[in-house]
Order: sequence, then C-alpha cells, then structure tokens
Amino acid sequence: GAVVSQHPSRVICKSGTSVKIECRSLDFQATTMFWYRQFPKKSLMLMATSNEGSKATYEQGVEKDKFLINHASLTLSTLTVTSAHPEDSSFYICSARDLNRTGELFFGEGSRLTVL
Amino acid sequence: QKEVEQNSGPLSVPEGAIASLNCTYSDRVSQSFFWYRQYSGKSPELIMSIYSNGDKEDGRFTAQLNKASQYVSLLIRDSQPSDSATYLCAVNDQAGTALIFGKGTTLSVSS
Repeated sequence: GAVVSQHPSRVICKSGTSVKIECRSLDFQATTMFWYRQFPKKSLMLMATSNEGSKATYEQGVEKDKFLINHASLTLSTLTVTSAHPEDSSFYICSARDLNRTGELFFGEGSRLTVL
Repeated sequence: QKEVEQNSGPLSVPEGAIASLNCTYSDRVSQSFFWYRQYSGKSPELIMSIYSNGDKEDGRFTAQLNKASQYVSLLIRDSQPSDSATYLCAVNDQAGTALIFGKGTTLSVSS
C-alpha cells in the first residue's frame, strides 16, 4: 500500500513549548492530508483537514491557533502544537489519500506527545 | 452529526473460531466503507474496503455491506491470537473527505 511517514514517533516536551510533527507521503502526492488525535482507549477524532497551498479546515472545538497546520507541498504536511499543556498529551496520527486508490486512507505511524 | 457505531467489546473467541464484528452508520449517503486494525500503541492499518452491497472476501477476512440497513460487518475466519487487536469501522460519503471512525471493537483471540 501507499506509504505515509510521520516524524517524530515520540516526543516529550515541557509545558509552554511548541512541538512540530511532520507527515510525508513517500510514494504518492497528497493534495489533502488529515490529522487525527487519539486518547487512550478512545477512537480517532478528526482534528483538521490539511489542504495543499491553502488554509486547513478545522473541526469544531479544535483551536486553530493552538494546532497550526501547514501543507506547503504535495508530499508534506506539518502539525505544530503551540504552547503545549499536559492535556495536549495524546497520540497524533496523520493520514493521506492516494487519489489513484478509491477512498482508501493510509496512516502515518503516529506521534506520541507527552507534555510534562 | 454523522455517526459510526460499534460495540466496544471486548469480543473474545477461541483460536480457530469465526469472529464477527459489526458496525452501523447514520449517514445514508455514505459510499465507502473500511475496516482498519489497530494494535495497541500503533496507528491503524487498512484491512478491507467495500463499496457495494454484498460480500467481499480477502483471505480469512470477509466484509459484508447492507446499505438499506446501514450496516457493515467484518468476519474473520480461523481466528488467530495475532488477530487480537482493536478493529475500527470507518465510513465516508464522498471522495476527498475525511473518514469518520467508530470507537472500535476490541477482539481477543485465545489460544
């Protein structure tokens, strides 16, 4: 299947700092990428839809100034968690759809963020 | 509000048995349906996709879709301990939009 790479896989930071997570589609171009968040034993919750060359579309309740999304190229989207707090600790997963494959969404490996 | 419902489980089956996982969805215009498997601490991996009514088989896995009943299921034949994971049902209504996930069903296969 299509490959989506996410980095870093684990990050620990202090409260108040910012953390950037990268998501790359390695063997296909993705005009749209999706960022999900998952708390322990909970399902994936869509945070935002990242569109190449334009602003991201955020889901209701997700603070766009806190979770900055940039999709500067067809293969790279980044999520920056600004002024992180312990409640931001979670598993963040990016995904992308290869338009040559109908509807299937491929996921990155996920990034586990721990804010101390 | 589009919703995807799954029984959280856990669903426990002995090795070699058939595991049956069920999912219902609320949006009648949904067109694409997916089953993902997620091991603890890992990201989801796609197992099956199904787009039209009926059954679709791939190895030990069979997905079943009934759009009239807004119901999709996943059967796992000859269940193995390595099948123990959380299975996520996902739905979307049109290409280009994000998938909406159910909360997942935890499957435990005992040897």
